[in-house]
Amino acid sequence: HLQLHESGPGLVKPSETLSLTCTGSGDSITSSSYYWAWIRQPPGKGLEWIGSIYYSGSTYYNPSLRRRVTISVDTSKNQFSLKLKSVTAADTAMFYCARVGFEAVFDIWGQGALVTVTS
Amino acid sequence: EIVLTQSPGTLSLSPGERATLSCRASQSVNSKYLAWYQQKPGQAPRLLIYGASSRATGIPDRFSGSGSGTDFTLSIRRLEPEDFAVYHCQQYGTSPRELTFGGGTKVEIK
Repeated sequence: HLQLHESGPGLVKPSETLSLTCTGSGDSITSSSYYWAWIRQPPGKGLEWIGSIYYSGSTYYNPSLRRRVTISVDTSKNQFSLKLKSVTAADTAMFYCARVGFEAVFDIWGQGALVTVTS
Repeated sequence: EIVLTQSPGTLSLSPGERATLSCRASQSVNSKYLAWYQQKPGQAPRLLIYGASSRATGIPDRFSGSGSGTDFTLSIRRLEPEDFAVYHCQQYGTSPRELTFGGGTKVEIK
């Protein structure tokens, strides 16, 4: 039974790079059936898809964030990671990692990691 | 980019009542790629409905989804106390390849 867990710094300074890792347990993220995604939710607001990655490394990103986002995968550690550069206070959010299942739905979610951008 | 607009923003109902939530798309969405999620405070979203009308594993049959094209609906037949939450719709587009969410509808106790 797959579980996902986000980890990384809870505080990031403006203009720096936000880095988070999602670690899978209970199953492998190298399944050929799934993509893996990052989603964020600013406090009190809605959900925003950031981007998705396949275990082979193939990615696709939200056009509004594409220039600042890199998602990568480390199959040896059963992890995938998010880097968001040049952050501002507007990037403060709960960040979730999730599995993209059949019909492109997010069927398994991590518990979320709150990242605050502050000097 | 396909924009999803959910209405109403907040729905105030009593337990036992029926809830009807709307998700309207700026362009036609393939029903195969329209989903609904429930989110309770302090929790990650949970998949409720996929393919516009199929319930995810373990979801009670009081939840139902319908719609096609640009108009989709999530209905909750008789609200239970645990159903008061925020509901999000989500779509996947293939050209360009993207995933988008609606702004959410909060179902609160009246």
